[in-house]
Amino acid sequence: DTAVSQTPKYLVTQMGNDKSIKCEQNLGHDTMYWYKQDSKKFLKIMFSYNNKELIINETVPNRFSPKSPDKAHLNLHINSLELGDSAVYFCASSQGKTGGRSETDTQYFGPGTRLTVL
Amino acid sequence: AQSVAQPEDQVNVAEGNPLTVKCTYSVSGNPYLFWYVQYPNRGLQFLLKYITGDNLVKGSYGFEAEFNKSQTSFHLKKPSALVSDSALYFCAVRVLYGQNFVFGPGTRLSVLP
Repeated sequence: DTAVSQTPKYLVTQMGNDKSIKCEQNLGHDTMYWYKQDSKKFLKIMFSYNNKELIINETVPNRFSPKSPDKAHLNLHINSLELGDSAVYFCASSQGKTGGRSETDTQYFGPGTRLTVL
Repeated sequence: AQSVAQPEDQVNVAEGNPLTVKCTYSVSGNPYLFWYVQYPNRGLQFLLKYITGDNLVKGSYGFEAEFNKSQTSFHLKKPSALVSDSALYFCAVRVLYGQNFVFGPGTRLSVLP
């Protein structure tokens, strides 16, 4: 069983389109994350949710909107895609119990979604 | 602000030789330090972490790392490298009450047969 899964694995689209990437974890974790890895492999956090509540929102264009229907899912919706959005997007999860401390938790990553904007 | 440096973009080592991948950090407060490995076209896999206690931490696949507070370092080591260890290695840090999990830029390890 895949612990953290993402769909799709590859996404090729035109500039200006709107697209979504889905993430699901079956680890029973309370906290989920979205990361962006650029072409130089630099990894940067975008968002973090704890039990469906947004707790980290880095400086990300508001064209990016995370949605967490339940604590096992964190989807990423991107409006008006731009060339610079091309990257690999990773979802991750950690135990992070609601109201508890999570700084020492290990994060488990999904396989990534390679987004190419033409 | 937290930051992580991995001073070497690339490390080459012969199979069977010991390997070291370097990581230094800068934080306000006590650091929690992590190492992850990324194989081509895959997500990151957890190797090991330092939270507290013994400065030498042992992890997956024979890797270990030593926390050195005075040098603010957390170098990853393995006594005998395998060709299959060739991958991209990321060091990461978080602090008490800190929100962000900050990754270093990554070091590409190539183990030559």
